[in-house]
Amino acid sequence: DAGVTQSPTHLIKTRGQQVTLRCSPKSGHDTVSWYQQALGQGPQFIFQYYEEEERQRGNFPDRFSGHQFPNYSSELNVNALLLGDSALYLCASSLRYQGQWQETQYFGPGTRLLVL
Amino acid sequence: DQQVKQNSPSLSVQEGRISILNCDYTNSMFDYFLWYKKYPAEGPTFLISISSIKDKNEDGRFTVFLNKSAKHLSLHIVPSQPGDSAVYFCAASANNNDMRFGAGTRLTVKP
Repeated sequence: DAGVTQSPTHLIKTRGQQVTLRCSPKSGHDTVSWYQQALGQGPQFIFQYYEEEERQRGNFPDRFSGHQFPNYSSELNVNALLLGDSALYLCASSLRYQGQWQETQYFGPGTRLLVL
Repeated sequence: DQQVKQNSPSLSVQEGRISILNCDYTNSMFDYFLWYKKYPAEGPTFLISISSIKDKNEDGRFTVFLNKSAKHLSLHIVPSQPGDSAVYFCAASANNNDMRFGAGTRLTVKP
C-alpha cells in the first residue's frame, strides 16, 4: 500500500515563473491538504481539497491555487513565483469524515522548490 | 502569526532518561492538539493527540499533558530511545479545521 507520493522531489525555477506540484494520496483517503514549510519553520497550511473543491484556505495569496481530480489526486499551482516561495511543499492526505481528520493525516516527503 | 510556539529548537537527552518537549499557544479557540514526528527526508507522522476536554493522554512511552489555563502542552517520552531522535512538531486545531504548527524541536537521544 503506497503512502502519499509527491512529484517532483526537487525543482528550480526563476522569479516570475509558474510551477505545478503533484500529489497522490494514500489509498482510501479522500482529502488532500497542502502545506508550505520554510527553512527552520513548521508547516503552514495553504489549503485543503475535498470532493474536488477547496474547503479551507490558509493565509496565502491567490497566486497559490489548486485542484483535486476525481481519483483524489491533487495539484498545487503557484504563479508569479517570488524568492520567498522557496520552501518545502508538503502534501497530506486524510479521511474527511472520520472524527478528528488530523489524526488520519499522512504526509508525503515533500517537493523542495528553489526560486532563483 | 505565531499562534503555536516551540521555544526550544533542540533538546539532547541520554538514552533511558525522560524527554520533555514543550509547546505554547495563544489562541484560546484551539480545542485539539497533536504532536507529529519527522525524520529527515520524510514527511511528518502523527504521534499522539489530546482534546481540550482532557489534561492527559498516554500511548505507550508517549504522554501528552495539556494545561489549558497556561495555554501550554508538553510531550513526555519515557524512556527515551536513540530511535526517538527526530524533529517533533506541536500542532493545534479549532473546530476540526486546519492545523497551526510550531517551528519544531529537534530531539537527540544519545546512547
